[in-house]
Amino acid sequence: QKEVEQDPGPLSVPEGAIVSLNCTYSNSAFQYFMWYRQYSRKGPELLMYTYSSGNKEDGRFTAQVDKSSKYISLFIRDSQPSDSATYLCAMSAPTSGGYNKLIFGAGTRLAVHP
Amino acid sequence: NAGVTQTPKFQVLKTGQSMTLQCAQDMNHNSMYWYRQDPGMGLRLIYYSASEGTTDKGEVPNGYNVSRLNKREFSLRLESAAPSQTSVYFCASSDSASGTQYFGPGTRLLVL
Repeated sequence: QKEVEQDPGPLSVPEGAIVSLNCTYSNSAFQYFMWYRQYSRKGPELLMYTYSSGNKEDGRFTAQVDKSSKYISLFIRDSQPSDSATYLCAMSAPTSGGYNKLIFGAGTRLAVHP
Repeated sequence: NAGVTQTPKFQVLKTGQSMTLQCAQDMNHNSMYWYRQDPGMGLRLIYYSASEGTTDKGEVPNGYNVSRLNKREFSLRLESAAPSQTSVYFCASSDSASGTQYFGPGTRLLVL
């Protein structure tokens, strides 16, 4: 079983829709939870990160973490064609090597059509 | 503020040739990383450097070497390129408090 599971999609929605992207994980040591957005032929770009269970909002984006269920979500309100990208969840845990190990989900490809 | 920069953007090699991918960051981060990204495989860690002067293997280190030249720069070397190393390579650096990583634009490598 992978440490982080993410539905690869693709997900196709009309402009203005609410999008829900999800990841589950198995490692209780994960402390920080992140969402990255990756446009085609570009590097991953950090969207949001959270530490505790609950919601964190940034504009049209809301990140939700439920540590008891080992489940995280990213909601996109009023989706726009410019949101079309691959979204990667990532989780970090400290290691004895002195750095935070980051584990990525496989990414969900999102297409928002006008 | 350039963030993380990588050179070259694109490279074609023949099997057996060598090359070095360069990465630099201007965010004063201690930790730096090299990943490869392949379709269906996601991002896989090749090597990392938790701090200046240290390097360690990640998930897929075979066929690669790294050098942490100073706090800003972290290079990845392919000594004898193989077609299996055709991939997109990303460098990243991190704020050690959260582990949040910031990525460069990537290098597309094709090995024939």
